[in-house]
Amino acid sequence: SQTIHQWPATLVQPVGSPLSLECTVEGTSNPNLYWYRQAAGRGLQLLFYSVGIGQISSEVPQNLSASRPQDRQFILSSKKLLLSDSGFYLCAWTVLAGKDTQYFGPGTRLTVL
Amino acid sequence: AQSVSQHNHHVILSEAASLELGCNYSYGGTVNLFWYVQYPGQHLQLLLKYFSGDPLVKGIKGFEAEFIKSKFSFNLRKPSVQWSDTAEYFCAVKKDSSYKLIFGSGTRLLVRP
Repeated sequence: SQTIHQWPATLVQPVGSPLSLECTVEGTSNPNLYWYRQAAGRGLQLLFYSVGIGQISSEVPQNLSASRPQDRQFILSSKKLLLSDSGFYLCAWTVLAGKDTQYFGPGTRLTVL
Repeated sequence: AQSVSQHNHHVILSEAASLELGCNYSYGGTVNLFWYVQYPGQHLQLLLKYFSGDPLVKGIKGFEAEFIKSKFSFNLRKPSVQWSDTAEYFCAVKKDSSYKLIFGSGTRLLVRP
């Protein structure tokens, strides 16, 4: 069966520091991968998605970037964190873009102080 | 722009009460519809989904949802809630064959024992 992992689970970082969040999927090949952010009182906002290695689409221009160095690995990064980057970051995967369901990881709670 | 509206941000019910959570979307084409649930401290998980066919969809834990195309709605229902249904519920919509899942802002349900 497929599983999705995210780490770290929680992170507290100072403003201006770099960020690296990792997401890996097991049990499937060539998944579509997604990064979402969930801010308090709001729904999930799609940040990036990837349909293959090195292929990244950005949905919202911002302080963050994403990379996909391996088929089942998706990384969310920032060179300098802002206070507004605080939130709950979720990774998701699916196999087909069409009639398929996105499955979510456990998330990373990021607090920028 | 495509959007998803969940009109009830907070709902408080007593056990055995009936539940209906509203979800409306703005996209006029063919859509796939989802309800996700996030129990306290747990992953976001799929409750039910609609792709085509019978507009009345049954999900896990006694939940169901009805797709009414003319009203652009996909409301979630449960005849008798339990304390364990306390969670946050998210409606999500995806254009058919699209990568992008658009989420509503969520509804926090508190069920009092």
